[in-house]
Amino acid sequence: GAGVSQSPSNKVTEKGKDVELRCDPISGHTALYWYRQRLGQGLEFLIYFQGNSAPDKSGLPSDRFSAERTGESVSTLTIQRTQQEDSAVYLCASSLAGDQPQHFGDGTRLSIL
Amino acid sequence: DQQVKQNSPSLSVQEGRISILNCDYTNSMFDYFLWYKKYPAEGPTFLISISSIKDKNEDGRFTVFLNKSAKHLSLHIVPSQPGDSAVYFCAASSSWGKFQFGAGTQVVVTP
Repeated sequence: GAGVSQSPSNKVTEKGKDVELRCDPISGHTALYWYRQRLGQGLEFLIYFQGNSAPDKSGLPSDRFSAERTGESVSTLTIQRTQQEDSAVYLCASSLAGDQPQHFGDGTRLSIL
Repeated sequence: DQQVKQNSPSLSVQEGRISILNCDYTNSMFDYFLWYKKYPAEGPTFLISISSIKDKNEDGRFTVFLNKSAKHLSLHIVPSQPGDSAVYFCAASSSWGKFQFGAGTQVVVTP
């Protein structure tokens, strides 16, 4: 497709389980970002990948969160031992470069019971 | 530490009138600013941007103004249309790939 694709669109899981969220960026976009949006709040930066450089992980809230990206393709965000406060919409975005406007996917709505 | 603030959570404007959305920031190192629009259940879409070397940028009905000394930017939508009803986020960056977003302003355009 032409846009950023995220899957699943919705995920409901029990507290303590691990979840994996997937992002397919726009082809050719070297930069990829993950954000979290809690209810009624703005976008919270999590992690940024730029090409083959080491990712900027400064926004990850705890060591339960990790993300990977292979080259300039798909990225996965993994949350281990989920907690109720992890409930949020997780948004992925990509851009041609780190100083360009981002194209967002529609997000994954994560609900932790 | 919220470095980008949108102090108005909501704005109601009549169709055809001007919508003015405001955004304040605290980090004087920010040099690139963007506005995004978001409909429910969709990701934000890019609207317009401005770099710190400019004080105004226009694109059709959308104009962004930047006042660096006041650390303030605004988005003007003229004329407002029903399809403009959405949440608007401002974002700012001082370094490659690092963007800070405001909490958003919900705009409702009434007939």
